[in-house]
Amino acid sequence: LAKTTQPISMDSYEGQEVNITCSHNNIATNDYITWYQQFPSQGPRFIIQGYKTKVTNEVASLFIPADRKSSTLSLPRVSLSDTAVYYCLAPMNRDDKIIFGKGTRLHILP
Amino acid sequence: SQTIHQWPATLVQPVGSPLSLECTVEGTSNPNLYWYRQAAGRGLQLLFYSVGIGQISSEVPQNLSASRPQDRQFILSSKKLLLSDSGFYLCAWRQDNYGYTFGSGTRLTVV
Repeated sequence: LAKTTQPISMDSYEGQEVNITCSHNNIATNDYITWYQQFPSQGPRFIIQGYKTKVTNEVASLFIPADRKSSTLSLPRVSLSDTAVYYCLAPMNRDDKIIFGKGTRLHILP
Repeated sequence: SQTIHQWPATLVQPVGSPLSLECTVEGTSNPNLYWYRQAAGRGLQLLFYSVGIGQISSEVPQNLSASRPQDRQFILSSKKLLLSDSGFYLCAWRQDNYGYTFGSGTRLTVV
């Protein structure tokens, strides 16, 4: 079960690109990296998942270097509605219990 | 399609009263199921998880318990609530290849 570390909070402005980096130094060979977004009084929502290199979907991009000890979630042209807490998770084995870190509280300013 | 239902959405209970929160999953079989609690402004705390009927793993010793009477049903219970049990309770299940899906949550206030 890889422990993850990410910044506690970040501020950015509307229209900017935001990059949130997560470190997972002891990630296992078969672990995927998954990012979630949580708004107040809602459950976390899946954003993106990757194993290596780069993954892109309609919401975000995920960059994973060759050593896989870190990953960066990239949110293009953020808006006020992107203000949320973002969690990085490393374990994806079927029987793993999910341990969430404290996440990164992203605050988008007008 | 797979869906997860969690109810009630909000609940106000007096100290010492019992609790029963229910979570059901549709469209899948033999899912891993999880209960989390989130205090205001805090992170997610894993309470229980289950890999099958009748199989419950507890992560945090407390006055809460969980049961899985059916494959797609997960129940969180307490015999006597404490003030410290207040929080936002989330049920989740694991979705192969796409991570975990969370329910909409129950806001519990113990008064």
